[in-house]
Amino acid sequence: AQSVTQPDIHITVSEGASLELRCNYSYGATPYLFWYVQSPGQGLQLLLKYFSGDTLVQGIKGFEAEFKRSQSSFNLRKPSVHWSDAAEYFCAVVLNRDDKIIFGKGTRLHILP
Amino acid sequence: DAGVIQSPRHEVTEMGQEVTLRCKPISGHDYLFWYRQTMMRGLELLIYFNNNVPIDDSGMPEDRFSAKMPNASFSTLKIQPSEPRDSAVYFCASSPLGNEQFFGPGTRLTVL
Repeated sequence: AQSVTQPDIHITVSEGASLELRCNYSYGATPYLFWYVQSPGQGLQLLLKYFSGDTLVQGIKGFEAEFKRSQSSFNLRKPSVHWSDAAEYFCAVVLNRDDKIIFGKGTRLHILP
Repeated sequence: DAGVIQSPRHEVTEMGQEVTLRCKPISGHDYLFWYRQTMMRGLELLIYFNNNVPIDDSGMPEDRFSAKMPNASFSTLKIQPSEPRDSAVYFCASSPLGNEQFFGPGTRLTVL
């Protein structure tokens, strides 16, 4: 069955440290890939997306993600986190353009001062 | 553009009452989605529409839930009768193509 896995439910990093959030998918073909962020009390906001082309994509708020076909992964990274990055992050995939999106369970990011 | 608009932002009701949640999608978006988010179950897709037609309602928990989209600029999610276990945040999202979605701020529903 098609699935999206975010193996880390919670991650804690210190402010200024680097960050990597993991996402793996299980599909036969390369899907469309997304990362969303949800701040407390807010809706989900799109951080970045990958459809094709360059496997390293840049997003808003200084985030980037790298698509690795061999590992079926689309990990989210940021070189230096800020306290305002504390939020929940969702990886999502769509197999075909007209298919419904499948969200991972989310990773909650905590920032230490 | 104002983005996806949801109303009300908060709703508190008593068990057995009818609840109606409203959504105005982004103009020009052909897809509209309704989600429910709880701590226990995470983000769940309830139903989605394409060009005002329901495409997949397999996520609707039971017959107490219904959703309509009478035109391209308005959708409702109704719960009748409501139960305490329906307490959650309900999100509406719209999309131009069905993949990249734009979410509203959500409606926090509390059923007492």
